Amino acid sequence: EAQVTQNPRYLITVTGKKLTVTCSQNMNHEYMSWYRQDPGLGLRQIYYSMNVEVTDKGDVPEGYKVSRKEKRNFPLILESPSPNQTSLYFCASSPQGSTEAFFGQGTRLTVV
Amino acid sequence: AQSVTQLGSHVSVSEGALVLLRCNYSSSVPPYLFWYVQYPNQGLQLLLKYTSAATLVKGINGFEAEFKKSETSFHLTKPSAHMSDAAEYFCAVRRGSTLGRLYFGRGTQLTVWP
Repeated sequence: EAQVTQNPRYLITVTGKKLTVTCSQNMNHEYMSWYRQDPGLGLRQIYYSMNVEVTDKGDVPEGYKVSRKEKRNFPLILESPSPNQTSLYFCASSPQGSTEAFFGQGTRLTVV
Repeated sequence: AQSVTQLGSHVSVSEGALVLLRCNYSSSVPPYLFWYVQYPNQGLQLLLKYTSAATLVKGINGFEAEFKKSETSFHLTKPSAHMSDAAEYFCAVRRGSTLGRLYFGRGTQLTVWP
């Protein structure tokens, strides 16, 4: 089944403790993105990647890192999480030449 | 720069009534526009998309949207609401010429009353 898989689905952590949210897609898509969703703000793009080893900042990149060492994986790294990073995070992928994005199920992160 | 504005953060309709969710866009280039739906505790699912072909776009679950360049609008409609349509709906526009980059509106929560 074609899908974008995020792990974990739920995570509660403490301020300053490094964490990684994984994202994997099995559709051989070139483009991958991370978004955060906050009430009343919709989805805002954090980072995106156009292919392996090619990443760029989105609208709200502060406090986040990404890497794209393999085409299928696009992990989101929070080196020192803070409470303002409490949010619902979505990973998405798109094939080259397409305008459609496929979304994962989301990761609800709480930083206390 | 491209952006979208969704008018109304909450819309309530009775079952069987017309659903109208509003979206206006701003784009310096011919836009690629999308509507996504998010059911509770789920990811986003594409409802429909406009990519400069027909101006009336039909999507899944009986939804459709009409691209009106003169009004810079891409409103989502459904003739008869069903309880299962209750969800959050997001309008989105492709950012410039970069495929895979989307700018989302703030969302509209649709409630359907029996």
